[in-house]
Amino acid sequence: QSALTQPASVSGSPGQSITISCTGTSSDVGGYNYVSWYQQHPGKAPKLMIYDVINRPSGISNRFSGSKSGNTASLTISGLQAEDEADYYCTSYTSSSTLVFGGGTKLTVL
Amino acid sequence: QVQLVESGGGVVQPGGSLRLSCAASGFTFSSYGMHWVRQAPGKGLEWVAFIRYDGRNKYYADSVKGRFTISRDNAKNTVYLEMNSLRAEDTAVYYCAKKAGYSSGWSVVDYWGQGTLVPVSS
Repeated sequence: QSALTQPASVSGSPGQSITISCTGTSSDVGGYNYVSWYQQHPGKAPKLMIYDVINRPSGISNRFSGSKSGNTASLTISGLQAEDEADYYCTSYTSSSTLVFGGGTKLTVL
Repeated sequence: QVQLVESGGGVVQPGGSLRLSCAASGFTFSSYGMHWVRQAPGKGLEWVAFIRYDGRNKYYADSVKGRFTISRDNAKNTVYLEMNSLRAEDTAVYYCAKKAGYSSGWSVVDYWGQGTLVPVSS
């Protein structure tokens, strides 16, 4: 199972919006509404930000939103803040009854 | 509050074996599926395995199938990862993680442990 494709890095200034893409196939991202996004700060465990494509867990800011079109899912962060600087990973359920992660995207807040 | 505490990591030689444990507390362990996810040093996350709440179904990544075994003891609130025929590429921090109850699928993780490091080296 190949990893989902994410940009290696994105950047934005405080207050701006950025979008991270996550591209898979019809056997994973495109075939199921089971895409999740995780935030990971250095040396810390990941944190769930978005699940089932569009849903935010309790306690997650509404500045974070998810979407999907075809085989590509996206995470948008609006009103960028310094504390948003982290690595972001998407993941999807697959037709092989496995999970596959994206390679990760490093977000830099300028 | 939910706590997941991994143990059992440490240096192991190529070809060797190791068993990781994850002690869970703060939730009804027997009602939730559990995952193992790993992260090689400086690399991204890789899903390893999942076990259903009752242990009846288990799923594995192709990279570990046939070498790793996930199991659980609901009486002890503990999930295990038995790792055999270890390779250098298995070197990683291994996280145990709890399936989220609010998703209809089993793929969503809502809590993670702090991880245990497994270096595979001679």
